[in-house]
Amino acid sequence: DAGVIQSPRHEVTEMGQEVTLRCKPISGHDYLFWYRQTMMRGLELLIYFNNNVPIDDSGMPEDRFSAKMPNASFSTLKIQPSEPRDSAVYFCASSLTLGHTGELFFGEGSRLTVL
Amino acid sequence: EDKVVQSPLSLVVHEGDTVTLNCSYEVTNFRSLLWYKQEKKAPTFLFMLTSSGIEKKSGRLSSILDKKELSSILNITATQTGDSAIYLCAVERASGGGADGLTFGKGTHLIIQP
Repeated sequence: DAGVIQSPRHEVTEMGQEVTLRCKPISGHDYLFWYRQTMMRGLELLIYFNNNVPIDDSGMPEDRFSAKMPNASFSTLKIQPSEPRDSAVYFCASSLTLGHTGELFFGEGSRLTVL
Repeated sequence: EDKVVQSPLSLVVHEGDTVTLNCSYEVTNFRSLLWYKQEKKAPTFLFMLTSSGIEKKSGRLSSILDKKELSSILNITATQTGDSAIYLCAVERASGGGADGLTFGKGTHLIIQP
């Protein structure tokens, strides 16, 4: 299995621009998570999906952030408009169905720099 | 709000030393505690602990959970330079309809000097 695939690996953009991060989870995993990692705050859960349905988006910082999962093999995290404080590494992770949700499989992350 | 606190935040030791990393947590409806190792890229899974007092072991790494003290330790014996990484502790909460995502601590940055 190829693992969780994220793109782009690196993104540098200017303040105010729209940013779209993409994720392909491991086939057969019913849960998909978006995390953000910074030095100051560590790894923070932004949102997670179960069977393509958003379950908990309480970690999404502001209305500028939105996430979708149109099908079982694809999810996007969008920031519009982006701000310098959004600079971070954004990880997508997936896990199996209930009973195995403890073990997350992470993608390699998308490093976002907003100038 | 769930909380996971790791200590120390950073640690520098020499190759061959033994290290103990700590994790304490506050979470409602605790389901499990997990340890991850993060080198340059994605965190990779080490252990999942659900029962108190049962040690999990993998080579030179071992971990144990103390539900009474709401804490866990991760031990690494005979450290090697390849053990240098950020070690992340996370707790999983079980809620009504299913499990929530993990809450992570900020990690312990471990550096092993040759």
